[in-house]
Amino acid sequence: GAVVSQHPSRVICKSGTSVKIECRSLDFQATTMFWYRQFPKKSLMLMATSNEGSKATYEQGVEKDKFLINHASLTLSTLTVTSAHPEDSSFYICSARIRDTTGNTEAFFGQGTRLTVV
Amino acid sequence: GIQVEQSPPDLILQEGANSTLRCNFSDSVNNLQWFHQNPWGQLINLFYIPSGTKQNGRLSATTVATERYSLLYISSSQTTDSGVYFCAVVGSGNNRKLIWGLGTSLAVNP
Repeated sequence: GAVVSQHPSRVICKSGTSVKIECRSLDFQATTMFWYRQFPKKSLMLMATSNEGSKATYEQGVEKDKFLINHASLTLSTLTVTSAHPEDSSFYICSARIRDTTGNTEAFFGQGTRLTVV
Repeated sequence: GIQVEQSPPDLILQEGANSTLRCNFSDSVNNLQWFHQNPWGQLINLFYIPSGTKQNGRLSATTVATERYSLLYISSSQTTDSGVYFCAVVGSGNNRKLIWGLGTSLAVNP
C-alpha cells in the first residue's frame, strides 16, 4: 500500500508558540490531503481538506487562522497550529488518497502527531 | 448525511478466540475501509472493500452493499490485535468525505 509519513510524532510546546506538522506522501502524488483531529477514545474529526496550489477547505467550526494549512507541492502538506493553547492539545492525523481504476479512492494515514501544549 | 454504526462498541476476548465486528451504513457507498488503530495511534489499513469478500491472513471482511453492512472477522485472535477497529465509508453522492463509525475497542487478553 501507499505510504504517508507524518512528522513529528510527538511534540510538546509552550502556550503561545506555534507548531508545524508535516505530512508527506512518499510513493505517490497527492493533490489533496486531509487533516484530522482525534480526541481520546473518540473517532476522527475532519478539520480541513488541503488542496495543492490553492486554499484549504475548512470544516465548520475550525478556525482557519488558528490552523494554517499549506500544500505547496504534490507530496507535502503542512499544518501549523498558531499561538497554541492547552485546549489545542490533541492527536492530529493526516491522510492522502489513491484513486483506483474504478475512480474510487482508498485513504492512507500518517502516523499521527501527539501535541501537548503546556 | 450518511450514518455509520459499528457494533459492538467494546469487546474483550481471550487469546485464540474468534470475533465478528459489524459496520452498518445508511446509504449507498463508493468506498468502505476497515482500519486498526494500534495503541500508539497509528491507523493501519486492513481492507478496502466497497463490496465482496477479502481475506488477509487471520482477518477477512465481507461487505454486502445491497444490504448496507460490512463484517470484519478476526480468527485466532492475538494480543497484538488489541486496539480500536474503525469502519469508514465514502458515500456515492457528491460529498467525498470519509464518514467514520465510532469504532470497536478490542482487548485481547493472554
